[in-house]
Amino acid sequence: AAGVIQSPRHLIKEKRETATLKCYPIPRHDTVYWYQQGPGQDPQFLISFYEKMQSDKGSIPDRFSAQQFSDYHSELNMSSLELGDSALYFCASSTRTGEVETQYFGPGTRLLVL
Amino acid sequence: AQTVTQSQPEMSVQEAETVTLSCTYDTSESNYYLFWYKQPPSRQMILVIRQEAYKQQNATENRFSVNFQKAAKSFSLKISDSQLGDTAMYFCAFMKMVGGGSQGNLIFGKGTKLSVKP
Repeated sequence: AAGVIQSPRHLIKEKRETATLKCYPIPRHDTVYWYQQGPGQDPQFLISFYEKMQSDKGSIPDRFSAQQFSDYHSELNMSSLELGDSALYFCASSTRTGEVETQYFGPGTRLLVL
Repeated sequence: AQTVTQSQPEMSVQEAETVTLSCTYDTSESNYYLFWYKQPPSRQMILVIRQEAYKQQNATENRFSVNFQKAAKSFSLKISDSQLGDTAMYFCAFMKMVGGGSQGNLIFGKGTKLSVKP
């Protein structure tokens, strides 16, 4: 079965640089979530999109922005990177077709800020 | 606001034995879902089992089952016949039903690191 695809899988950036993380949801999934997991931490919700519109917002810094495109893929844009942004970034997708919504996670993008 | 508490930071179990991981949560919502996710060393987040709050019957998935006590706001995970591949961090997660059939984001506990020993 198709899974959530995230790219790149690994990313190394310098402080103050920008980064773009991409997420391709499972086919026919219309909702995308972004989570950030710091070392030894639980995942923290950043932002979500449903049918290309932002549906909810969590602890996402103002330096970050995201969007969902017409093909349902999503991008997380991160600017003015800080050392504390080093983390594993997950994208999860789900569908709201009346069944119980279950979020399926991608493999994550490991971001290291030096 | 909802909170999820996992009171066991680490646990270990012998291969083939049974282990129970605890999870409690706090919410004023009446409609919600509960999940257990597994995160092995690869750090992939893998769904283990889910429970709808409106269902009284406890969910089961092969060797994994839950004990859902809605009044006590407790949601424990039992792993039977533990296997070496069960070694992982286990996260309990809460998701409220926002309305109109849509649901919200996941709220995770801090996790329980499970080690299965040969």
